[in-house]
Amino acid sequence: EAQVTQNPRYLITVTGKKLTVTCSQNMNHEYMSWYRQDPGLGLRQIYYSMNVEVTDKGDVPEGYKVSRKEKRNFPLILESPSPNQTSLYFCASSLRWGREGPYEQYFGPGTRLTVT
Amino acid sequence: LAKTTQPISMDSYEGQEVNITCSHNNIATNDYITWYQQFPSQGPRFIIQGYKTKVTNEVASLFIPADRKSSTLSLPRVSLSDTAVYYCLVGDIGGYNKLIFGAGTRLAVHP
Repeated sequence: EAQVTQNPRYLITVTGKKLTVTCSQNMNHEYMSWYRQDPGLGLRQIYYSMNVEVTDKGDVPEGYKVSRKEKRNFPLILESPSPNQTSLYFCASSLRWGREGPYEQYFGPGTRLTVT
Repeated sequence: LAKTTQPISMDSYEGQEVNITCSHNNIATNDYITWYQQFPSQGPRFIIQGYKTKVTNEVASLFIPADRKSSTLSLPRVSLSDTAVYYCLVGDIGGYNKLIFGAGTRLAVHP
């Protein structure tokens, strides 16, 4: 089944304790992205990746890191989490960008992170 | 980068047609307009995408006027299961780029 998976789905942690949220897709997609969703603010892009070893900042990259060493995986790293990073996080992937416009993005189920 | 503006919420009744308008005054020549639907505690799901004029698929239509400064998502004959948040998104076809979602429109469909 074609899908985007995220782990963990729920995480409660303390300020300053490094954490990684994994994202994996099995569709051989080139483009992957991380979003955070907060009440009243909609979805905001954190980082995106056009292909292996190619990443760039989205709208709210501060406090986050990403890496793309393999095509299927795009982990989100919080080196020193703070309470303002408490949010619902989504990973997404799409085939690529093409002449007919951006391809459909497939979203993961979400990771609810709480930083105390 | 083009920002989008949508109504915060809308209400409708089963069987009615719903039109949700998105404003994107600064849309660039290479930008496409895409709409996503999101149910609570789930990731967004693609609905429809277009560049200009009208696009129709099995679930919705997308109307884009000639100046492309706005777009309207049309949902025919909504049902209770269409209650969700709808996002308008503008993205560049020229290459890889940031994607900007609007704040979303919360649609409530009543019996």
